[in-house]
Amino acid sequence: KAGVTQTPRYLIKTRGQQVTLSCSPISGHRSVSWYQQTPGQGLQFLFEYFSETQRNKGNFPGRFSGRQFSNSRSEMNVSTLELGDSALYLCASASTQNTEAFFGQGTRLTVV
Amino acid sequence: GENVEQHPSTLSVQEGDSAVIKCTYSDSASNYFPWYKQELGKRPQLIIDIRSNVGEKKDQRIAVTLNKTAKHFSLHITETQPEDSAVYFCAAPSPGSSYKLIFGSGTRLLVRP
Repeated sequence: KAGVTQTPRYLIKTRGQQVTLSCSPISGHRSVSWYQQTPGQGLQFLFEYFSETQRNKGNFPGRFSGRQFSNSRSEMNVSTLELGDSALYLCASASTQNTEAFFGQGTRLTVV
Repeated sequence: GENVEQHPSTLSVQEGDSAVIKCTYSDSASNYFPWYKQELGKRPQLIIDIRSNVGEKKDQRIAVTLNKTAKHFSLHITETQPEDSAVYFCAAPSPGSSYKLIFGSGTRLLVRP
């Protein structure tokens, strides 16, 4: 079965712009989480969605938002981009708690 | 608050030697501990996990041990090979109804041929 798919793979944006990233989970997985990966901060939790509801949110400013659709696909949006938002954004899907989380290949966002 | 500490940050071993990476967690209610391997330019992939009702789990050259009393768990790789070179992350879930993994800061393992 197909793995977790993220689009686009690479993105270059200018400060002040906004961006939308997409994640399609493994078929049947209803939990989708988003993580920001940077060399200095490692993997930081952004938020988790389950059945179109945000169940948890990490310690990120309100410029970071997300949503999940009825087919479990998820999007995250970052508004008013800052240079420090440059990172690899990873999404992961899981079937239930305390089971393997499968990661997508990530979207590498560069803000210039 | 929730916290996972991982040591060492870098580890260099000779091919054939063993490598050990250690993590500690803060929330005693955590009950699932996965280890992910991330090769350069690739996604993190689960290599082994352990649940709190088990003290040790092995899968070929990889093993994980868990000490719930001390709140730490370790990854052991024996007979290391150059293809084991990667960044390894430990994680613990934040207890509750959501799926939220708290990751350690990662260990860059280099296996010298």
